[in-house]
Parts: sequence; structure tokens; C-alpha cells
Amino acid sequence: DTAVSQTPKYLVTQMGNDKSIKCEQNLGHDTMYWYKQDSKKFLKIMFSYNNKELIINETVPNRFSPKSPDKAHLNLHINSLELGDSAVYFCASSPRASGWALSGANVLTFGAGSRLTVL
Amino acid sequence: KQEVTQIPAALSVPEGENLVLNCSFTDSAIYNLQWFRQDPGKGLTSLLLIQSSQREQTSGRLNASLDKSSGRSTLYIAASQPGDSATYLCAVGRQWETSGSRLTFGEGTQLTVNP
Repeated sequence: DTAVSQTPKYLVTQMGNDKSIKCEQNLGHDTMYWYKQDSKKFLKIMFSYNNKELIINETVPNRFSPKSPDKAHLNLHINSLELGDSAVYFCASSPRASGWALSGANVLTFGAGSRLTVL
Repeated sequence: KQEVTQIPAALSVPEGENLVLNCSFTDSAIYNLQWFRQDPGKGLTSLLLIQSSQREQTSGRLNASLDKSSGRSTLYIAASQPGDSATYLCAVGRQWETSGSRLTFGEGTQLTVNP
């Protein structure tokens, strides 16, 4: 079973459309994240939710609206898509917001990414 | 504002060679540092995590070091194999706070190991 799964894997759409990317984790983690990887390969955090509560909201246009119906799901809805929104969006999860206190190599578990192309 | 830089941007080596990937960061107030591997079309796989109080971590053929005062980390890969070909990302964790965890990523080093 995939630990962090995102759908769709690829999304091609026209400028101005509204689209959603879904993320689900079956690890029992409390915290979920959305990261954006742009064409230069930089990964930047967008949002973080801890047990359905928004705890990190970086400088992201309000066209992006995350929704967490329960702690196993964090969906990303994007309104009025623009060319600059084209990127790979990664979902991730960690045991808890204070997950840094844990030792070991897998504090954050990432999904496979969703490649969004806006034409 | 934390900035993470990785050098080189790309590296091509013959199989069996030992190699070093470099990562530098501007703000030494970090909680930890992670090295990830990214394969095309796949997510990120965490390779090694070094807490700020540690100086190195080892896993198999991989060894990561951390010099927090100078803002540097290296990832050493011994006896490289074609299967090691991937993009390697360095990420630093911000000083822990109740508002949640943040990772600042470098741009990555694209490694190609030729048979």
C-alpha cells in the first residue's frame, strides 16, 4: 500500500480553470504538508495542517485553498489557474508537528507528486 | 531568510567511484538537516537525518556530515552504482516551534553514475 498517495499524477488544463489535487496518507500521521517544486527544482512549503488545523500558510496566493476533511486527507484546490502555477506539487506527512523530536531517517514521507501544466 | 545551496548542480561519474555532494546554508539556527533522493516521476525518499547536535550519520554506503557553525553538510557516497543515479536534495529544518515543521530545500545535485 502506498503510504502517501496523490491524485491525479498528471494534470493539464487551461488558464482560468479551477482544479483540485487530492492527497491521502495511511500512516496515521497527524501532520500533512503541500510543497511546490518549480521549474528550477526548488521545493518550497505552501501549507501545513496538524490534525485538520492549518499551522503553516506561507506566502501563497489566496487562489490556493487547502482543505483537510480529516487528518488522513489534505486536498489542494486552485482557482483561476495561471501559467505560473505550472509545477509539481508534493504532498507529505509526518507523525506530528513536533516530529523533529524523532530520530530516524523518515520524519517526512512524501507522495510521488502531481505535475500540473497550465496552458 | 534561510537559503540552501547545493554544489555541483550536476555530476557524472563512472561506476565504482567515491563522490561527495555539498550543501551549504546561510542560517546556522537549524534543528536538523536531511538528505533526500528524488527519482524522476517519483516522490522524495529520505536518506539521512542529522540532528543539529550531531556531526554525522551513516547508512550503508552513505555518510552525511554536518558542520553547523560553518553552515555546511556533505553527503559522501562510496563505491557508486548506476542505481544511485538520481537527484539528491539537501533540506534544513527550522528551529523547532509549535507552529509546525518547515524544511528549506536546496536546488539539488543531479547525479549520473555510468556503468
